Amino acid sequence: GQQLNQSPQSMFIQEGEDVSMNCTSSSIFNTWLWYKQDPGEGPVLLIALYKAGELTSNGRLTAQFGITRKDSFLNISASIPSDVGIYFCAGFTDNYGQNFVFGPGTRLSVLP
Amino acid sequence: DTAVSQTPKYLVTQMGNDKSIKCEQNLGHDTMYWYKQDSKKFLKIMFSYNNKELIINETVPNRFSPKSPDKAHLNLHINSLELGDSAVYFCASSSRVADNEQFFGPGTRLTVL
Repeated sequence: GQQLNQSPQSMFIQEGEDVSMNCTSSSIFNTWLWYKQDPGEGPVLLIALYKAGELTSNGRLTAQFGITRKDSFLNISASIPSDVGIYFCAGFTDNYGQNFVFGPGTRLSVLP
Repeated sequence: DTAVSQTPKYLVTQMGNDKSIKCEQNLGHDTMYWYKQDSKKFLKIMFSYNNKELIINETVPNRFSPKSPDKAHLNLHINSLELGDSAVYFCASSSRVADNEQFFGPGTRLTVL
């Protein structure tokens, strides 16, 4: 079945640093979503990407839909302590919510 | 206002029992989902309903039975609970089948003893 790989699995950074993480697959996706999960909470949607090559920002977050449609990356600039959490990518192969998969997540820790 | 709510937040029960988790969304969405998140934080889709009709049913033991009394509610009933059912269960919803942006509930942590 479809699988997504996320790298790195975990990362420790200093407050103020920029962060980059990515999501790759051997399959083509039509939609990429990025979610963040805080401890004890449900995932919260950060950014949705619908077009190959699309670059979208949400505050300090920027995500891009890879040209090959097999990858996506998420950047966080000037990290702050509340950026701590698990970041999930999700890929959808159709527009009807029937074929999708979540990546295993990247755990981000921000050191003061 | 809570968009997607789940009850209970925590559920501790003995092996072999039957339990239910309830989910409600007040977003007017047409599609609702159940996910299971294991101890390694892998999120796996279990079921999806659109307007009370089942549209996704992944390989899940038939001890798990979703029920959607109306499009704002999707409940999950689990029979004969097993130790391996211990996990966090998330409900989610999206605005229509063609909209992949899912909004998640806070989760129900199920512990089977």
